[in-house]
Amino acid sequence: AAGVIQSPRHLIKEKRETATLKCYPIPRHDTVYWYQQGPGQDPQFLISFYEKMQSDKGSIPDRFSAQQFSDYHSELNMSSLELGDSALYFCASRQQGYYGYTFGSGTRLTVV
Amino acid sequence: AQTVTQSQPEMSVQEAETVTLSCTYDTSESDYYLFWYKQPPSRQMILVIRQEAYKQQNATENRFSVNFQKAAKSFSLKISDSQLGDAAMYFCAYRSAPSGGGADGLTFGKGTHLIIQP
Repeated sequence: AAGVIQSPRHLIKEKRETATLKCYPIPRHDTVYWYQQGPGQDPQFLISFYEKMQSDKGSIPDRFSAQQFSDYHSELNMSSLELGDSALYFCASRQQGYYGYTFGSGTRLTVV
Repeated sequence: AQTVTQSQPEMSVQEAETVTLSCTYDTSESDYYLFWYKQPPSRQMILVIRQEAYKQQNATENRFSVNFQKAAKSFSLKISDSQLGDAAMYFCAYRSAPSGGGADGLTFGKGTHLIIQP
């Protein structure tokens, strides 16, 4: 079965640089979520989209933005990167009306 | 805001034995969903089991079952016949039901590291 695809798997950036993470949800899943998991921490909800509209916002810094496109894939744009942004970034998707969230394998971002 | 508490940072169990992981949560909502996720060393987040708060019957998935006590706001996970492949970080998570108008994202606990002794 198709899963949630995230790219890239690993990313190394320098401070103050910009990064773009991509997420391709499972076919027919119309809702996408982004989570940030710092080292040894629990995942923190950043933002979600339903039908290309932002549906909820969590602890996402102002330096980050995201959007969902017409094919339902989503991108998380991170600017002015800081060392503290180093984390595992998960994308999850689900179909509205169902509560089975499927997570991708994550993108490990390292800011140096 | 809802909070999820996992009071056991680490648990250890002998292979083939049973272990119970604790989770409590705080909410003023009456309708919500609870989840247990497993995160092995690969870091993939894998859904173990899900419970709808309006259902009184405890969810079961093969060797995994929950003890859902709504009044006590408790949602423990029991793993029977533990296997080496069960070794992972286990996260309890909460989500508001749409009817409640609460947050769309999952709120996670801090996790319990489960060690399986051969």
